[in-house]
Amino acid sequence: GQQLNQSPQSMFIQEGEDVSMNCTSSSIFNTWLWYKQDPGEGPVLLIALYKAGELTSNGRLTAQFGITRKDSFLNISASIPSDVGIYFCAAFGGSQGNLIFGKGTKLSVKP
Amino acid sequence: GAGVSQSPSNKVTEKGKDVELRCDPISGHTALYWYRQSLGQGLEFLIYFQGNSAPDKSGLPSDRFSAERTGGSVSTLTIQRTQQEDSAVYLCASSLIRTGNGYTFGSGTRLTVV
Repeated sequence: GQQLNQSPQSMFIQEGEDVSMNCTSSSIFNTWLWYKQDPGEGPVLLIALYKAGELTSNGRLTAQFGITRKDSFLNISASIPSDVGIYFCAAFGGSQGNLIFGKGTKLSVKP
Repeated sequence: GAGVSQSPSNKVTEKGKDVELRCDPISGHTALYWYRQSLGQGLEFLIYFQGNSAPDKSGLPSDRFSAERTGGSVSTLTIQRTQQEDSAVYLCASSLIRTGNGYTFGSGTRLTVV
């Protein structure tokens, strides 16, 4: 089946640092999304991307839909303690017809 | 309701017992999805409902798993003869239509099979 390869799996950063994570696939998708999951909660949508090459920001978050439609990245600038959590990439529009998810990037911030 | 509600939030069951997990989607959302999240893993698609019908059951891992949705609203995921490998968080999401965004997730049911 289709898979999203998300990296890194985890990262520890100092507060104030910028963070970057990405997702790649061998399949083409029409929509890329980034979610954040806090402990004990379901994932919450951060950013949605609908067009190849699109660059979208949401506060300190910036995400891009790769021009090949097979990848996406998420950047977080000037990280703060509440950025801690698991970030998932997700994609839609491949042959499976359902939203599929990467395995997540666990972000831990040192205060 | 205002959000997707799942119950119970936690369930501990003995191996071999049956369990039922409930999802109450956002009012008016016609599409409903079940996902499974195992420790350290991403979200694994299980089943999708459009109204009361389930056009895509491709993700159900075995015939011990079944789901139904009644009245285009509440859905129940049933796992029969639970096994330890069924231990996971089961997440439900709903959306207005089947699109790539607009999924609202519930907080999940953490199932532990002992």
